[in-house]
Amino acid sequence: SQQGEEDPQALSIQEGENATMNCSYKTSINNLQWYRQNSGRGLVHLILIRSNEREKHSGRLRVTLDTSKKSSSLLITASRAADTASYFCATVDGNSGYSTLTFGKGTMLLVSP
Amino acid sequence: GAGVSQTPSNKVTEKGKYVELRCDPISGHTALYWYRQSLGQGPEFLIYFQGTGAADDSGLPNDRFFAVRPEGSVSTLKIQRTERGDSAVYLCASSSMGLAGPSYNEQFFGPGTRLTVL
Repeated sequence: SQQGEEDPQALSIQEGENATMNCSYKTSINNLQWYRQNSGRGLVHLILIRSNEREKHSGRLRVTLDTSKKSSSLLITASRAADTASYFCATVDGNSGYSTLTFGKGTMLLVSP
Repeated sequence: GAGVSQTPSNKVTEKGKYVELRCDPISGHTALYWYRQSLGQGPEFLIYFQGTGAADDSGLPNDRFFAVRPEGSVSTLKIQRTERGDSAVYLCASSSMGLAGPSYNEQFFGPGTRLTVL
């Protein structure tokens, strides 16, 4: 079953603009991660934020986590055409002790030159 | 070094047939995961191996699905009596450890096998 929802489902922007994607989840988590997927195939890990963290940066990526609202956001600054892909948030359950990932449905990002 | 590999990359089969999908994890990774991704959806967890044993198979949809990892490395996902609803991309991932502790170990994904059941 899917953990939660990303919104928007699709996002279309111009190069140079910022892209913000949101993710909501339902259960307690150990950590939350964001992945990128091109052409419906291989998933690439972008960034991980732990349940006791509120914000994390990696290059042009900024992730926030609000455990009280069970939500996270991914901000991509100064977007490029090469950022066009689907983006998924995934959570690791806070109680199971295992690292299995529960994914959302994803946001399709289109960055036009 | 080599990443996670999956074979075949594409598999077309007829309803009712048996299929096997193979995953070669990164050498030395003890944890191996199978996920299934339907069109327009995020991946859904199927089964997790720690070494040779299935530590969590709660995601397998029914008893037509079975997976093995006999030597703690390569894993095979087996689907019996395939149905059209089994059509999806089957993703495999591995990590150096599978426990959700303070030292999180990233999962590395393979390119997936696209299964089409006619």
